[in-house]
Amino acid sequence: AQSVTQLDSHVSVSEGTPVLLRCNYSSSYSPSLFWYVQHPNKGLQLLLKYTSAATLVKGINGFEAEFKKSETSFHLTKPSAHMSDAAEYFCVVNRSGGSYIPTFGRGTSLIVHP
Amino acid sequence: NAGVTQTPKFQVLKTGQSMTLQCAQDMNHEYMSWYRQDPGMGLRLIHYSVGAGITDQGEVPNGYNVSRSTTEDFPLRLLSAAPSQTSVYFCASRQGPHTEAFFGQGTRLTVV
Repeated sequence: AQSVTQLDSHVSVSEGTPVLLRCNYSSSYSPSLFWYVQHPNKGLQLLLKYTSAATLVKGINGFEAEFKKSETSFHLTKPSAHMSDAAEYFCVVNRSGGSYIPTFGRGTSLIVHP
Repeated sequence: NAGVTQTPKFQVLKTGQSMTLQCAQDMNHEYMSWYRQDPGMGLRLIHYSVGAGITDQGEVPNGYNVSRSTTEDFPLRLLSAAPSQTSVYFCASRQGPHTEAFFGQGTRLTVV
């Protein structure tokens, strides 16, 4: 069963405008949630993580995400997009039970226009 | 800081050949995993380990074997390569069940 759903496969914004990448999860317990970024032909880098502390999580490069339990969402935002933000973004949940294996969403490709 | 090291970075195999993708981490992490990345599919779990001597199957284990004889190393073996195994492979490690994963730079494998 799918544990993480990224609602958009592609998001296109203009430089300087806000970014919203959407993620919904399903988990029986309080989840650990993460956002990773992957630039072309590169590995994955952690942007931010939620592990049951503050619901608004700040990450690197001006990104932040808000954990909303009632909506089972963990959307990623940034107030102003930069050209260097163009990349693939993955929402990840450490699946509850057993070994809490990280389960990936299918990814959202962020395109930034000048 | 080496982190997670994968070798090789690129590999071309002929159908039916076997090979081992190497993964080593120097962070003393107990949890290690192998994923494959295909366009539009995100990363899918092949095999994982929660400590030396302990391995288990993930979502797409067929055609792959793993072993974990030491904490540091977690090699992935392709038994008889098939074109469907053309993909980018990532190894990851993490400290515990609720912590973030650290990824290697990936191995791009092409099977012809």
